[in-house]
Amino acid sequence: GQSLEQPSEVTAVEGAIVQINCTYQTSGFYGLSWYQQHDGGAPTFLSYNALDGLEETGRFSSFLSRSDSYGYLLLQELQMKDSASYFCAVRDEGGNKLVFGAGTILRVKS
Amino acid sequence: DSGVTQTPKHLITATGQRVTLRCSPRSGDLSVYWYQQSLDQGLQFLIQYYNGEERAKGNILERFSAQQFPDLHSELNLSSLELGDSALYFCASSVSLVSYNEQFFGPGTRLTVL
Repeated sequence: GQSLEQPSEVTAVEGAIVQINCTYQTSGFYGLSWYQQHDGGAPTFLSYNALDGLEETGRFSSFLSRSDSYGYLLLQELQMKDSASYFCAVRDEGGNKLVFGAGTILRVKS
Repeated sequence: DSGVTQTPKHLITATGQRVTLRCSPRSGDLSVYWYQQSLDQGLQFLIQYYNGEERAKGNILERFSAQQFPDLHSELNLSSLELGDSALYFCASSVSLVSYNEQFFGPGTRLTVL
């Protein structure tokens, strides 16, 4: 089976950089995804890493180390609108379903 | 806007009742996934359909069932409802059977069982 661990809450100030970590245990690995969810809203896709290294998309970057079963989401130049829950997710062996972590609530303070 | 639509947005019903949630995937997407999100359980995968066929099952209760129709819209049926079924139900879609990157989520249906 799959399990993921991420911190439950992170607080940072506007303009700062924050890193949300995710460690996973899977019987097979098919990539690590990150989703953002504002309160009561739909999860929206942020990034996907299948190979080791850093993927950058604007202010957001995601990193993966398969040997360490570890990844992180890096958010730069934090804005108030970044306050949301962030979920890491892995695919199951068949690749059909996503298994989500419990989510990290990011609070951005002014 | 992801392009995935779900109806209704809110649903309030009583224990023991049956409800149907509807989802229309993005144009061109053949896969539909259903997820349940409750406060204590997080986002849980329920079931996947691809081009009308069930392809993957998660922790879906026997009281719950789903189907995908020829026009690719999907319905999730919840019966003999219990208080614990109160949750947000999301539908997501993707182009292929095996989604290696992005799934597009609908706005969700908030179900309240009283």
